[in-house]
This record gives sequence, structure tokens and C-alpha cells, in this order.
Amino acid sequence: NAGVTQTPKFRVLKTGQSMTLLCAQDMNHEYMYWYRQDPGMGLRLIHYSVGEGTTAKGEVPDGYNVSRLKKQNFLLGLESAAPSQTSVYFCASSYSTRGSGANVLTFGAGSRLTVL
Amino acid sequence: KQEVTQIPAALSVPEGENLVLNCSFTDSAIYNLQWFRQDPGKGLTSLLLIQSSQREQTSGRLNASLDKSSGRSTLYIAASQPGDSATYLCAVRSTGGFKTIFGAGTRLFVKA
Repeated sequence: NAGVTQTPKFRVLKTGQSMTLLCAQDMNHEYMYWYRQDPGMGLRLIHYSVGEGTTAKGEVPDGYNVSRLKKQNFLLGLESAAPSQTSVYFCASSYSTRGSGANVLTFGAGSRLTVL
Repeated sequence: KQEVTQIPAALSVPEGENLVLNCSFTDSAIYNLQWFRQDPGKGLTSLLLIQSSQREQTSGRLNASLDKSSGRSTLYIAASQPGDSATYLCAVRSTGGFKTIFGAGTRLFVKA
């Protein structure tokens, strides 16, 4: 049972380059999320999805785009990478949260991105 | 806007000591609160989830409490071990939305 898988695990980009991070989950979760983690700032929500074909903005969406074409996959794209996007990116998934308190977030192992 | 604060930012204790990690949040309208553990260079592992209707949850040597009215949660670790060394994060899901807001974490070091 793989849970949440993120690829790639590491990537170095030059300013202005584009790339896509892939998140895949095999738990049939409805909800998926992308977070970034920076030193001393905890995790901040970039974008999230409440189901196949839907996406929504989180706290820090600027400079990122996402797509959820299949229920099990959630893609995070950087169209023109900037040094400020150097961070560790985490994908997470959960069951439907509407009206329910018992929705445990399951996280991937993270993707470390460096933008030079 | 929900804000989550964790104090202290770092903590060093000798093995065997009981300890308490603190989490505070500004908006008491929450669905649940989760405590996570993060090892260096790794992802987050869920330790305990407390629903808004609950006061506490226990798992092994861990006990988490929730006081919504005061906007506080504590994670109690009994008889700490070197293997407990990690960063512990508190996360709050507010009502009326799908966002889970995280604290910056407490880095714990348990000395053998």
C-alpha cells in the first residue's frame, strides 16, 4: 500500500524554467492538497482539490497552477520558477471533510525544489 | 483568519522525562485538531486527531487534549525516549472551509 507518492524527490531549476510535481494516491481519497514548507513558517497551503476536475486556491497560490484530471493524481506546476519558490513541497490527501471531523491527512514524503 | 502558534520552538530534555508541547489557535470554530510528527527530511506522520466534540485522545505514551474555548491544545509525551526526537506540528481545520492551518512546530531533542 503506497499511500501518497510524490515525484520527483529532488529537483534543481534555473530561474524562469518550468516544471511539474506529481502527486499520486491509492487510497481513493476525495481531497488532495499541495503545501510548501519553509524554515520557521510551518506548512502553507498552495492549492487544493475537493474532487476530480476541481481545484481551488489556498493561502499562497501565486506562481503555481494545479490540475486534477484523475481522482488519484494532483499535479503542481511552476510556469516560471523564481528563487522564492525554493522550498520543500508536500502533497496530502484525505477523505471528504464536509461535515466530518474525523479526516486524517496523509502526507507524501516531500519534494525538495531549489531554484537558482 | 485562523492562526496557529506552537511554543516552545525547540525543546531539549533528558530521556525518561515527561513533557508537554503547546499549541494555540485564534479561532475556536474548528472541525478538528491534529498532531503530526516530522523526522528530518521526511514527510509528516499523523499522531492523534481530536474532533471538535472531543476533549482528548490517547495513543500509547501520547495524550492530546483540546480546549476550544481557550483555543489551546497540548500534546503530552510520557517517559520520553531518544526515538521521540523529531519536530511536532499542530494543525487545525476550521469550520466553513477545507483548509488545515499548521503551526511552525516544536523541535524536540531527547538526550540519552
